[in-house]
Amino acid sequence: DAGITQSPRHKVTETGTPVTLRCHQTENHRYMYWYRQDPGHGLRLIHYSYGVKDTDKGEVSDGYSVSRSKTEDFLLTLESATSSQTSVYFCAISESVITGSNIQYFGAGTRLSVL
Amino acid sequence: EDKVVQSPLSLVVHEGDTVTLNCSYEVTNFRSLLWYKQEKKAPTFLFMLTSSGIEKKSGRLSSILDKKELFSILNITATQTGDSAIYLCAVSNAGGTSYGKLTFGQGTILTVHP
Repeated sequence: DAGITQSPRHKVTETGTPVTLRCHQTENHRYMYWYRQDPGHGLRLIHYSYGVKDTDKGEVSDGYSVSRSKTEDFLLTLESATSSQTSVYFCAISESVITGSNIQYFGAGTRLSVL
Repeated sequence: EDKVVQSPLSLVVHEGDTVTLNCSYEVTNFRSLLWYKQEKKAPTFLFMLTSSGIEKKSGRLSSILDKKELFSILNITATQTGDSAIYLCAVSNAGGTSYGKLTFGQGTILTVHP
């Protein structure tokens, strides 16, 4: 999994509780991404980071926040989980966005169930 | 808004068959098109294509890009049960603030029966 660790791998939580998912990389890559995967939708970008403390929104960012205080860690927080956030969450990393290096490598995913 | 459409959404074949998966796209400032294979866990990278008409090959898998008609195909010859997976197509936007964001298609679920 290209030196990417996601934790936890599985989580069940209740509506209204806060949840934080962690992505840790050992590749020293600058770019990090959070996606969610739902049936019929492929992978959709939630947030991404282009450096320490530099983050921006993706296409489905409502209800999510992120933080990146170190190169190796990218945290995804659901401030108040809802059932619509039940999904599989993937973290990805990329060394560069220049053509030829614009390949993203994915972690193993976190399966989140919000009851 | 960038858009990627894959077809078919699912496909069932028998071992030894050849399959062609399709990916069409609309992107404001095209940089590259990528194919991934996803089995039970993380998507794994297969190919990246940036130039039209140049085929990329890896064993029984090959892919080609047509930048004029805005599509790519992924071919798998002599399929095996281990090829069963979701195949994902994604495009990268070269726009100034895109930071290498990928837009993914819905994926094609390939099932190969013995």
